[in-house]
Amino acid sequence: KAGVTQTPRYLIKTRGQQVTLSCSPISGHRSVSWYQQTPGQGLQFLFEYFSETQRNKGNFPGRFSGRQFSNSRSEMNVSTLELGDSALYLCASSQEVGTKDTQYFGPGTRLTVL
Amino acid sequence: GEDVEQSLFLSVREGDSSVINCTYTDSSSTYLYWYKQEPGAGLQLLTYIFSNMDMKQDQRLTVLLNKKDKHLSLRIADTQTGDSAIYFCAESPIYNFNKFYFGSGTKLNVKP
Repeated sequence: KAGVTQTPRYLIKTRGQQVTLSCSPISGHRSVSWYQQTPGQGLQFLFEYFSETQRNKGNFPGRFSGRQFSNSRSEMNVSTLELGDSALYLCASSQEVGTKDTQYFGPGTRLTVL
Repeated sequence: GEDVEQSLFLSVREGDSSVINCTYTDSSSTYLYWYKQEPGAGLQLLTYIFSNMDMKQDQRLTVLLNKKDKHLSLRIADTQTGDSAIYFCAESPIYNFNKFYFGSGTKLNVKP
């Protein structure tokens, strides 16, 4: 079974631009979560989608948004990029919410904001 | 909010056992996890334990849970240089299985 895939793997943007990252979950997994990883803040939860609906949200500004499609693929968008948005963005999928299951992570998208 | 703490560094010699420690605050946690992250890679699930268990063993990995002290440990037996990585402890609360709270990660350095 293929793992979680994320595209692109690396991205360089400038301040003020916007960016869209993509995540394809493991086949059959319906929940997709996004995390931001930085050296200073560690791993922080951004949001979780299940059946095209945002079920959970972390403490990030409204510039960070996401969506999920009917095939469970998910995208996250960051608008008006700031230098502090430079991070590794990790996507994780799990089969079902509220059951004995766990999250499987993709390799991440490394975003650099100049 | 939930708080997960880990020591930042651990250095061991190849062949020794490694013990990585983690403390958490949320008493409602149901699952506690250990993930491994190698340079430039995502997180690899190593093992997890349900909060009503005291111990779980999986090949070279042993997880111990002290619920009273809210202390979780990961023991790696016969540590190899390939085990060098950052190890993250994480918890998911009973009210929200898919919202994980991660520790800062422990960087394990295995010396040959």
